[in-house]
Amino acid sequence: RKEVEQDPGPFNVPEGATVAFNCTYSNSASQSFFWYRQDCRKEPKLLMSVYSSGNEDGRFTAQLNRASQYISLLIRDSKLSDSATYLCVVLNSGYSTLTFGKGTMLLVSP
Amino acid sequence: NAGVTQTPKFQVLKTGQSMTLQCAQDMNHNSMYWYRQDPGMGLRLIYYSASEGTTDKGEVPNGYNVSRLNKREFSLRLESAAPSQTSVYFCASRPRTSGAYEQYFGPGTRLTVT
Repeated sequence: RKEVEQDPGPFNVPEGATVAFNCTYSNSASQSFFWYRQDCRKEPKLLMSVYSSGNEDGRFTAQLNRASQYISLLIRDSKLSDSATYLCVVLNSGYSTLTFGKGTMLLVSP
Repeated sequence: NAGVTQTPKFQVLKTGQSMTLQCAQDMNHNSMYWYRQDPGMGLRLIYYSASEGTTDKGEVPNGYNVSRLNKREFSLRLESAAPSQTSVYFCASRPRTSGAYEQYFGPGTRLTVT
């Protein structure tokens, strides 16, 4: 299994829709997880940290399932500005480095 | 605060030329990182510096060297550029705070080697 695996998409959704992305990771000892957002030709930016079973920030909800080794990101009431690539990121054992998934592309249309 | 800054923004090199990519952060972060991002490959770690005075190899270190000049600055050097090093290079930094493992990225350097 690849270290961090994501469906590349694209996910095409209309404004106002709810969309969910999943990500699986291979290292069962991983303790911390993140979702980053990357706009075209820009740097990745931290969207959410996922330190326990999950957390919520406005329209965004991240959940962690340690038993099945997957993390999900739910976006409610999608906006045009949510169009981006969403990167699933896992903290490596040793706590010094991160492993990035290849990203899931989201396109929100009017 | 400017956050993480990188220079140059764009660069074109010929095969065999050398250059240094510069990165600086003004957030008093301890750890700094260099990544490359290629289409279909995602972000891959080249080198990192967990603290001033230390550097370690990442996933793809061959063909690169780094220098942690001081706490603020971390440079990446290509001694003899190859077309396979055409990529977007991102620098990132991380605070020292225990339990804070998220990284913050600079705007990137787009490098083309012909």
